[in-house]
Amino acid sequence: EAGVTQFPSHSVIEKGQTVTLRCDPISGHDNLYWYRRVMGKEIKFLLHFVKESKQDESGMPNNRFLAERTGGTYSTLKVQPAELEDSGVYFCASSQDAGGYEQYFGPGTRLTVT
Amino acid sequence: GQSLEQPSEVTAVEGAIVQINCTYQTSGFYGLSWYQQHDGGAPTFLSYNALDGLEETGRFSSFLSRSDSYGYLLLQELQMKDSASYFCAAHTGGFKTIFGAGTRLFVKA
Repeated sequence: EAGVTQFPSHSVIEKGQTVTLRCDPISGHDNLYWYRRVMGKEIKFLLHFVKESKQDESGMPNNRFLAERTGGTYSTLKVQPAELEDSGVYFCASSQDAGGYEQYFGPGTRLTVT
Repeated sequence: GQSLEQPSEVTAVEGAIVQINCTYQTSGFYGLSWYQQHDGGAPTFLSYNALDGLEETGRFSSFLSRSDSYGYLLLQELQMKDSASYFCAAHTGGFKTIFGAGTRLFVKA
């Protein structure tokens, strides 16, 4: 069984540019989560999809962030325009259980905004 | 607000036992999970406690006390490969997961 995959693994962009991150969850996992970790700090919740619907997007920092999940399969997270404080590692996770008690994480995308 | 507190660093000797504590302040608490993350890698699930008490999985055990809003991860017979960051994560109302800032464990020979 393939794990959660994320693309790209690294991205370096300039302030004001746009970046789109992609996540492919484990096949059959209806629940998909996005998180961000800034160096040394907590893994911060961004949002939660159940299939193609946003269950909870209370962690999204502002309207520069847009997440979609096409057909309930892969998900994208777009940052437009990027700001310096958006730098960090963006993790995607998926789970079978609705409570998210056991989540499977992808390797993350390290985003650097210069 | 909702938050979890855990020590930033712990150092222990190979073969020893180490306990990583986690206290939480959340609304609608359902349970506590633990994850391990090696440098540059993905967090991987270790354990989940929904009820008070100890859950044992091989060398790792996890404990929860809901009345004290407290849990811990116990690692026995430490190995060098256990050097990693360990995160506690609280599951709250609305199926939201709140993570702590992580505890970096250094295992010395």
